[in-house]
Amino acid sequence: SQKIEQNSEALNIQEGKTATLTCNYTNYSPAYLQWYRQDPGRGPVFLLLIRENEKEKRKERLKVTFDTTLKQSLFHITASQPADSATYLCALLSSGGSYIPTFGRGTSLIVHP
Amino acid sequence: NAGVTQTPKFQVLKTGQSMTLQCAQDMNHEYMSWYRQDPGMGLRLIHYSVGAGITDQGEVPNGYNVSRSTTEDFPLRLLSAAPSQTSVYFCASSEQGYEQYFGPGTRLTVT
Repeated sequence: SQKIEQNSEALNIQEGKTATLTCNYTNYSPAYLQWYRQDPGRGPVFLLLIRENEKEKRKERLKVTFDTTLKQSLFHITASQPADSATYLCALLSSGGSYIPTFGRGTSLIVHP
Repeated sequence: NAGVTQTPKFQVLKTGQSMTLQCAQDMNHEYMSWYRQDPGMGLRLIHYSVGAGITDQGEVPNGYNVSRSTTEDFPLRLLSAAPSQTSVYFCASSEQGYEQYFGPGTRLTVT
């Protein structure tokens, strides 16, 4: 069966360090992989999209990598700040599918001052 | 632009009652979807639509109905509420499924 796995344990890091979150998947042929941020009591907010033929995408302090051989995406936040504390969700859109993404369960990031 | 709006923000229902969760978007997006989010379960797709008049089931469609008579609106109907439907419901819209724009959510409790 199809699975998207994100670490269920919260990631605690110190301000200024780089946070790295992982998204692994099985039995998918994703055309696109997305990352979203969700704050408590709010809807998810889109951050980045990376296509299957792209290895890396950057946006300001954010970097996403996509390895279709390992079936894994890494999401990095450099120079992290307490304001980056949130839950981060990865989502996959399969090739030949409905273009409606399937979401992982998310990983909570806590940045300590 | 208001983006994606959802009403109500909070709702308490008794078992067996029916209700409609409203969702509207003003971005002229063809794709709209409904998710529910439960602790530890992430976002699960209930129903989705790829255009007016076209809907399809997602991962957890039982107990829910949808229709899409206009591009802007995509209401979700609970036919006979059950405690298992206690959840936070999010509506989303997008162009061809790329960047999803989510509404603020409806927190539903069924007693």
